[in-house]
Formats: sequence, structure tokens, C-alpha cells
Amino acid sequence: DIVMTQSPDSLAVSLGERATINCKSSQSVLYSSNYQNYLAWYQQKPGQPPKLLISWASMRESGVPDRFSGSGSGTDFTLTIGSLQAEDVALYFCQQYYSPPWTFGQGTKVEIK
Amino acid sequence: QVQLQQSGLGLLKPSQTLSLTCAISGDSVSSTTAAWNWFRQSPSRGLEWLGRTYYRSTWSYDYAVSLKSRMTINPDTSKNQFSLHLNSVTPEDTAVYFCARGTGTFDIWGQGTVVSVSS
Repeated sequence: DIVMTQSPDSLAVSLGERATINCKSSQSVLYSSNYQNYLAWYQQKPGQPPKLLISWASMRESGVPDRFSGSGSGTDFTLTIGSLQAEDVALYFCQQYYSPPWTFGQGTKVEIK
Repeated sequence: QVQLQQSGLGLLKPSQTLSLTCAISGDSVSSTTAAWNWFRQSPSRGLEWLGRTYYRSTWSYDYAVSLKSRMTINPDTSKNQFSLHLNSVTPEDTAVYFCARGTGTFDIWGQGTVVSVSS
């Protein structure tokens, strides 16, 4: 199985400041035939299911604010919240869909400083 | 829009069978482009994919290796839903269980069901 490891486990950021979450996969999730990274990011608020934010490492889902951006390739990825808003307080997960079983990072908790 | 509504009992004793159902609206369990998945989430195991069913020309099923011997996922085309059955539960199966649509990424989720296994 591909192991996904996120860092940090939690971070506190001031409103309007940037939040950066890292995700590392135990093997590359870049598919050579189409040069796509099979990496997604989710946001989960308390008592709710995860919400898909980004797929293909950097493609925002419809309706996701543009302050959320994804980057990276191969084994190293980053989710950036460009200007943290109060409603962004949540748990964030990366997930690989390169090969089953689909696996998730342990999550990063984002709070307001 | 597509919605998934979960139902099922959340309090179990060890050795019992967990049964959950996910009712689909706005899409079809027989869709040839979708897949229907179960996940669980616990503090100790994090977010874990359990398995899926999908229809292309026949029904297919994939299960997490660690649970394959205890788990079945069944589509019900007459009710447009799918179910999870996990037998011989132990306290380690205590978690929030989710159903979700997706073939790699998961865009629609059920509301979650808290399942507690305790004697």
C-alpha cells in the first residue's frame, strides 16, 4: 500500500495569513503515460464528511475558493491556503488514487492563531 | 443534485454483524461511470477505504485486504442503494462509517454513521 504522510499534524495561522500543508507519498503517484499526479486534497469540518477540494494535485473542484491551491509532483505535494479565513478551520487530508487501496494522510488540523 | 443517505444500527456487541445502507438520489447504483464506496474513520486508524462496488457490464467488487474475509458490499438496484456488511465485529471496528461516490477521488459523501462495538 502507498503510505501518505502529512506535515505538520497541526498548525495555527493568523487570519489573512498563509497556511501550508505538506504531503509525502511512499512512492510516486505520477503516472508516466499521462503525466498526471493522482493526488487529491480534502477538507473535513467537525461532524461532517470530507469535502473534495483538489484533484490531480492542483485542480480545484467547482466552487472551491481560489485561496486554496495545490502543487507538487511525484512524491511531494503541498496544499496552500493563501489567506486563511475563519471558515477554513478544519482537518485537511491528502489522498492518493494512483493504486488501490486508496490511502489518506493522517490529517493536518488548521486553527486560527 | 446527488445525495447519499446512510442508515443502519450503530451500537453492536462483539461478534455481531455490522449492516449499513447507503441510499442514492440523483444518480444510479447501476451507473457505468460511478463507483460506490465505503470508508471508516477513527482516531487510531485515520480515514480508511474499505471497499467498493461498481457496474460496467457486470458487477465488480473490491475490498481492502485486511477486511476482505469479513466484509461484503451489495448493490440493490430495486432500491437504488448499496450496503455494507461486516461480520464478527470487535471493538477495533468502532469508527464513523461513510459511504461515498467515486472511482479514485470521492465527490459525494454520506453523512456518516457512528458505530460503536462494546460488550
